[in-house]
Order: sequence, then structure tokens, then C-alpha cells
Amino acid sequence: GQQLNQSPQSMFIQEGEDVSMNCTSSSIFNTWLWYKQDPGEGPVLLIALYKAGELTSNGRLTAQFGITRKDSFLNISASIPSDVGIYFCAGHTFFFNKFYFGSGTKLNVKP
Amino acid sequence: DARVTQTPRDKVTEMGQEVTMRCQPILGHNTVFWYRQTMMQGLELLAYFRNRAPLDDSGMPKDRFSAEMPDATLATLKIQPSEPRDSAVYFCASGLVPQGRGLNEQFFGPGTRLTVL
Repeated sequence: GQQLNQSPQSMFIQEGEDVSMNCTSSSIFNTWLWYKQDPGEGPVLLIALYKAGELTSNGRLTAQFGITRKDSFLNISASIPSDVGIYFCAGHTFFFNKFYFGSGTKLNVKP
Repeated sequence: DARVTQTPRDKVTEMGQEVTMRCQPILGHNTVFWYRQTMMQGLELLAYFRNRAPLDDSGMPKDRFSAEMPDATLATLKIQPSEPRDSAVYFCASGLVPQGRGLNEQFFGPGTRLTVL
């Protein structure tokens, strides 16, 4: 089963607001990934993180690999309507050599 | 623009029928994953291959599911016989894993929406 806890489950925000979501794990991960999924499509990779403490940006998106290796967050600044979708975190552990996905954060942006 | 492709996009079938889903990974990628997504379970890893060899299929019901890579450009996921509880969206993803490193980035296809009546 999944080892990742992703929160919040859903968010309703106003256009222009900043958004933050995070994932925590019961075990150490070696890689953290953040994906966005639009309806009827597959998840699209947004940001990949490989080192503890790493902070990476992709446009208005910023993600960090937690120092403990057990968590990661994704921030979206100045949200716009096209940010609507479901955001997934995913972590990989060398120990189990498996990928685990969070349950997703559904983001709704009101114009 | 390299993408993972999947066929069919939609499949409706009756219980007991065989279903085959196909995936073409991004050219040059050496790792292929099969996932199943449902509202209740989220994204579940069914199986993955590296250099066409199956590395892990522990997430797959062995009695009815099978996954193969006949060649580097084609991965298949087969369900025989299909059951209503198999209804889900099945995603294929591919990635390039450098020698000596673990899994990292995965790129997803658009999915096959399977409905078993």
C-alpha cells in the first residue's frame, strides 16, 4: 500500500492566491516528484528532486526535498485558472526499489 | 515532442473477455511502468520493466493479469478474463534510468479507460 500522506485533499482558492501542499512519508525517500493531472489525461511531471534540502523552481512552481528525506512540499505562486487539476507527489526509495504516489490534492481556482 | 502513447484510449468490454492494452514508450527510455488509477485506490503500480525485463509485478493480480515487452518499442498489459472490478484507467509511463541509479523521472501516457460490464 501507499506510504505517502498528501495534504490537503482539496483546495478552493481565488485567482492570484498562493498555494501550498505537502507530502509526508513514514520512511526515507531518495527521489521526490511532483505531477499535475488534468481530467482525462495522464499525470505530467512538474518538478523532480534528488537531494535532501534541494529547492527547485519551475516557473511559478517551487518544490523542496525535506531535510529529513521524509517530506516534500510544492508551492504555486499567483495561481491562475489553468492551475486547476490534481497534483500528486511521488517518492522513490532505493531500499524497496519502488515508487509510491500520494492520494492527490485537487486544486480549484476561482477567477 | 516525444510522448508515451497508449492504445486504445477507451475500451468497453463484457465480463470474461480478454483485454489487451498497448503502450509505446518514449524512444530511448529503458524503463516502463504500468499503473492503474481508480477513485478509491488512487494510482497503483502494477508492474515495471527495465531493459524489457520484468523487475517487479507484485502489484498485479497474477491469475488474470500479465505484462510483457515483446520489444523495446512495445509494452502490453493483458487481462484475461476481465472482471467489473478491473474497471479503471490504466496508465503506462516510461523513463530513462542511468546505470547505477534508481528509478527517478517517469513520463506518463494518456491512459486507457477500461470499463468492464
